[in-house]
Amino acid sequence: DAKTTQPNSMESNEEEPVHLPCNHSTISGTDYIHWYRQLPSQGPEYVIHGLTSNVNNRMASLAIAEDRKSSTLILHRATLRDAAVYYCILRTPSGAGSYQLTFGKGTKLSVIP
Amino acid sequence: KAGVTQTPRYLIKTRGQQVTLSCSPISGHRSVSWYQQTPGQGLQFLFEYFSETQRNKGNFPGRFSGRQFSNSRSEMNVSTLELGDSALYLCASSLVWREGTGELFFGEGSRLTVL
Repeated sequence: DAKTTQPNSMESNEEEPVHLPCNHSTISGTDYIHWYRQLPSQGPEYVIHGLTSNVNNRMASLAIAEDRKSSTLILHRATLRDAAVYYCILRTPSGAGSYQLTFGKGTKLSVIP
Repeated sequence: KAGVTQTPRYLIKTRGQQVTLSCSPISGHRSVSWYQQTPGQGLQFLFEYFSETQRNKGNFPGRFSGRQFSNSRSEMNVSTLELGDSALYLCASSLVWREGTGELFFGEGSRLTVL
């Protein structure tokens, strides 16, 4: 089964870029890489996802290694509201619209004013 | 647009009892999935329902079950509760996912404490 590994915690200064890494060395060709974040006392919220190419949206960028064994979530300018636990998730299609999800343990991001 | 609603938000049960948790998805979302979150194991996928059918199931014992109704609302049930079932149970809804794309919308969860 696919597995993801993330650092337990990271710190960033406010308004600095943040690079959150995720290793998924056993990823298969059809696995999508998803990132969610969870603020205290809330459910996770979607950040970004990708398959092979780098992706950008209004919240973040996702850089995927060429061999797809790792990915990096990039927050371009960290704000205090970005302090959260960030989860790297592999979504494995298993036919007929079904899927399996493999969660990383999450990285707790602290943002220093 | 109303978000995903989970009830109850907090509940306390004793070992051996059973519990039913409810999830109302975002209007128009037909896929509902459930997750268990604990400090030790983190987030784990329980199961997913689409059009009243369970499409996928995580690695949990048969004590954990669920169902989805015709209006897409879903319930999950845990029977014969154990201390280790104490957790935050999260529900998420989504439009039809195709090939791993799309976005899950999570509720705030139901926090279950088993004494």
